[in-house]
Amino acid sequence: KAGVTQTPRYLIKTRGQQVTLSCSPISGHRSVSWYQQTPGQGLQFLFEYFSETQRNKGNFPGRFSGRQFSNSRSEMNVSTLELGDSALYLCASSAGQPGGSLHFGNGTRLTVT
Amino acid sequence: AQTVTQSQPEMSVQEAETVTLSCTYDTSENNYYLFWYKQPPSRQMILVIRQEAYKQQNATENRFSVNFQKAAKSFSLKISDSQLGDTAMYFCAFIEETSGSRLTFGEGTQLTVNP
Repeated sequence: KAGVTQTPRYLIKTRGQQVTLSCSPISGHRSVSWYQQTPGQGLQFLFEYFSETQRNKGNFPGRFSGRQFSNSRSEMNVSTLELGDSALYLCASSAGQPGGSLHFGNGTRLTVT
Repeated sequence: AQTVTQSQPEMSVQEAETVTLSCTYDTSENNYYLFWYKQPPSRQMILVIRQEAYKQQNATENRFSVNFQKAAKSFSLKISDSQLGDTAMYFCAFIEETSGSRLTFGEGTQLTVNP
């Protein structure tokens, strides 16, 4: 079975721009969640999508948004980029049942200059 | 608020030795699940072991085992026969049963296995 695939691996953007990150989950997984990893804040939950609906949301500003398609692939968008958005963004998929194990992708390293 | 604390930012161990990583957590829920993930320099977060809070028996996966103390809210990871490939950042995390896939992570412990 193919694992979780995130594209692109690296991104460099300028302040004020917007960016879209993509995540393809493991086949059959209906839940996709997104995490931001920074040296200062550690790993923080952004949001989770299940069957195309946002099921959970973390404490991030509205500039961070996401969506999920009917094939369970998910995209995350960040608008009006700030320097503090520089981070590793990790996507994880699971079958969606309570307490199910999350399987992570390799992440997208976003650098905002 | 749910929190996870890993009090050891860094640890080192000799190859073939045993090491234990500590983790404490706080939640008001009774039903939850605990995890240990490792993140090597490749950045991919890899599941090491999973524990259901309603099970008293400690989970084991080959060389990895946990000591789960529910009353103390403690969840330590023991790695036996440490190998060079175990060098990684290790994260303790949990999910409350009502929280979907919302993992709460600890700060991480950088483990280095020395030859």
